[in-house]
Amino acid sequence: GAVVSQHPSWVICKSGTSVKIECRSLDFQATTMFWYRQFPKQSLMLMATSNEGSKATYEQGVEKDKFLINHASLTLSTLTVTSAHPEDSSFYICSALTTGIAEAFFGQGTRLTVV
Amino acid sequence: LAKTTQPISMDSYEGQEVNITCSHNNIATNDYITWYQQFPSQGPRFIIQGYKTKVTNEVASLFIPADRKSSTLSLPRVSLSDTAVYYCLVAPLGGSTLGRLYFGRGTQLTVWP
Repeated sequence: GAVVSQHPSWVICKSGTSVKIECRSLDFQATTMFWYRQFPKQSLMLMATSNEGSKATYEQGVEKDKFLINHASLTLSTLTVTSAHPEDSSFYICSALTTGIAEAFFGQGTRLTVV
Repeated sequence: LAKTTQPISMDSYEGQEVNITCSHNNIATNDYITWYQQFPSQGPRFIIQGYKTKVTNEVASLFIPADRKSSTLSLPRVSLSDTAVYYCLVAPLGGSTLGRLYFGRGTQLTVWP
């Protein structure tokens, strides 16, 4: 299957700082990428949809100024958590779609801890 | 989007067959049923997908009755490594919402030795 890689796998940052998470499709071109957040013992929650070269579409209740998404190429999307606070500590997961395949491929996730 | 309902948890023993049923009463005509598996601190992994009747792959089988209001994921002869959360999702395979997945609570399957 297609491989989606996230970097870093885990990150600890201080409250008030920003942190960037990368999502890369390693062996295919991702027309669309998605970002999810998952709190402990809870399900995945879709945050936003990003298409290469255009602005991301955010789900209701997700602050677009806090969670900046950039999809600059067909293999890379980044999520920047700005001015992070402890309540932003979560597991962030991306997925990617490619043309002709109706299956989203997920990355391994990034554990963010804000202290 | 069709809402799905699954048992919160299930327990089984190694070597047994496990059946996890998902209810999706409001499934639309163009919706497909997809099951994902998620281990702790990992992204979900695609297991199987179907529209109607029965689908089988090397990992599992998916049974969908004629009215499509429910589906059953069948895992043959589970092992300890099958302990995970299993999610049932219902979504169209095309259109502007393709890939936008709305996960329910999932079913925590625990396999005991």
